[in-house]
Order: sequence, then structure tokens, then C-alpha cells
Amino acid sequence: QKEVEQNSGPLSVPEGAIASLNCTYSDRGSQSFFWYRQYSGKSPELIMFIYSNGDKEDGRFTAQLNKASQYVSLLIRDSQPSDSATYLCAVRPVDYKLSFGAGTTVTVRA
Amino acid sequence: DVKVTQSSRYLVKRTGEKVFLECVQDMDHENMFWYRQDPGLGLRLIYFSYDVKMKEKGDIPEGYSVSREKKERFSLILESASTNQTSMYLCASSSPLPRGTAYGYTFGSGTRLTVV
Repeated sequence: QKEVEQNSGPLSVPEGAIASLNCTYSDRGSQSFFWYRQYSGKSPELIMFIYSNGDKEDGRFTAQLNKASQYVSLLIRDSQPSDSATYLCAVRPVDYKLSFGAGTTVTVRA
Repeated sequence: DVKVTQSSRYLVKRTGEKVFLECVQDMDHENMFWYRQDPGLGLRLIYFSYDVKMKEKGDIPEGYSVSREKKERFSLILESASTNQTSMYLCASSSPLPRGTAYGYTFGSGTRLTVV
């Protein structure tokens, strides 16, 4: 079983809709959870992090964490064409190395 | 602004060459990492370092070595480049202290290496 699994893409959403990305992780002791956005040919950029159960909102992005279910999600509200990218879920177990999911590619249709 | 700088954006090297990829961070971070990223395989950890002169193998260290003589600099060395090392190489750093990103990484801009 992979340490971090993301829902397979690609995910295509119309402009203005909500994009929902899901991620599950296997290490129950994981402490911090991250979402990175990666544009084609570029390096990953941190957009959200969360370490407490519940929701965390930042602009049009909401991260949701449920440690009991070992599940973290990212919602992108009012999706824009500029949100078209690959989104990587990352989990920090107990040391400082992050474990990354394979990524979900999102395409926002104008 | 936080910065991780990789010395080259694109590199083309010949098979058998010794290749050096340099990474410098200006954030006084203790932790530094080297990843490669390939389509369909995601990010794979090559080596990491938690302190000066300290290094640990990641998931795919074969054919690579690293050097960390100064806190801000972490070098990846391909001892004898092969075509299967053609990839995007990403350097990252992080702090063990909760400086607002909960130990998240800051990535460099990446080096796209082609071995011919």
C-alpha cells in the first residue's frame, strides 16, 4: 500500500465550479499535511497546510483533515483557468521527510 | 522572501560524465532534500540531510552521492551519468522549527537534466 494516495485524475471542472481533491494516508502517526500546486514544467509550490482536524480556509482554498479516517482533502471554490495544475498531497509522518502522493491533475474549462 | 536556488535550469550531459547539481538556500534551514520527478512516478527521494556534513539515503540513492559542507548548500553528484538519470531534479529545504509552514518544504525551481 502506498503511503499517500490521491484520487486519480485528470479532474476537469468548469470555470466557477468547485474542484474537490482527495488524499488518504497510511501512517496513523502523521502530524502535518500539505497541498502543493505544480504548474507544468515548474516546481511544486506550497498552497495549504493543516495539522488539526477540521477545516482550514485560505481564500478560495479549503483544506479538510480527518485523522480518524486518515483523510485530507482540498476544495477549490470558484475555480479559475489559472487553477489548472497538478496538485500534490504531502504528509509528514514522524520525521522531517514528507511523503508525496502521485498528484491529481486539474483542468478548469473556460 | 524565502529562496531555494538551483544553479542550472537545464543541463545536457554525456553518458559517463560526472555531474554536479548545486542547491543553495538562504533561509538558515537545517533540512535539505534532493528529489527526482518523472512522469507517472511522482517525486522520489534520493538523499537528504538534517545537518552539515550529515547525509542519509532516500528511496533511490543508487548512482548518486551528496555533499553538505555548509549549512546553506547541498550538492547532488551523479558519479557516472546514465540515460536513465534523465529527469527533473528538485531540491527542497525545511526547518525543524514551526516557522509558519509546519515543517513544509520550500522547493527550488528544478533542474531538467538530459543525459545523452
